[in-house]
Amino acid sequence: AQSVTQLDSQVPVFEEAPVELRCNYSSSVSVYLFWYVQYPNQGLQLLLKYLSGSTLVKGINGFEAEFNKSQTSFHLRKPSVHISDTAEYFCAVTLMNTGFQKLVFGTGTRLLVSP
Amino acid sequence: GAVVSQHPSWVICKSGTSVKIECRSLDFQATTMFWYRQFPKQSLMLMATSNEGSKATYEQGVEKDKFLINHASLTLSTLTVTSAHPEDSSFYICSARDPRQEVTGELFFGEGSRLTVL
Repeated sequence: AQSVTQLDSQVPVFEEAPVELRCNYSSSVSVYLFWYVQYPNQGLQLLLKYLSGSTLVKGINGFEAEFNKSQTSFHLRKPSVHISDTAEYFCAVTLMNTGFQKLVFGTGTRLLVSP
Repeated sequence: GAVVSQHPSWVICKSGTSVKIECRSLDFQATTMFWYRQFPKQSLMLMATSNEGSKATYEQGVEKDKFLINHASLTLSTLTVTSAHPEDSSFYICSARDPRQEVTGELFFGEGSRLTVL
């Protein structure tokens, strides 16, 4: 079975600083990878996704992520964060050969941006 | 883009009562919807997969009689928490796949419903 690990439960950072949120996955078959953002008391919004092709994926709000197959990682990055980026970020995977029956989430990383 | 809407956003009920949460796909037909539960500061845990016109598929450890799921149409799935107790208090989120985007596996999420059982 596949699993997703987000090692950092919370990442504090100052406004305009760069940030990286880490995500590693475990799967015996190829996966599709996603990053979702959740603002307080709201559902999840897709930031970006990796399906195939270029390993560097650009998403909304200036975020990007790089798929590294050898390290089974899909870390999320932003060169300069804003206060409004404060939220919970979830990495997720789905297996390519299962008809996308399940989306498995990591435990989430809370990004705290302070002035 | 695909839009999924949940109602109500907040609900407070007394212990022992039942609560129904609705999940609607507004601009697409969803043959499959998913119900998640999220405890404070934790990740989303899949509760069940709701299939239009058939019985829901529940994850291990989820009580079928406690969490009743009905997917009577292609745009509506409901989750009923029966005889709710304080331990059922949580944030419930539904999601769906847009068949027009099936190849990506992407899910579209509702706004979530926070249930507080007194």
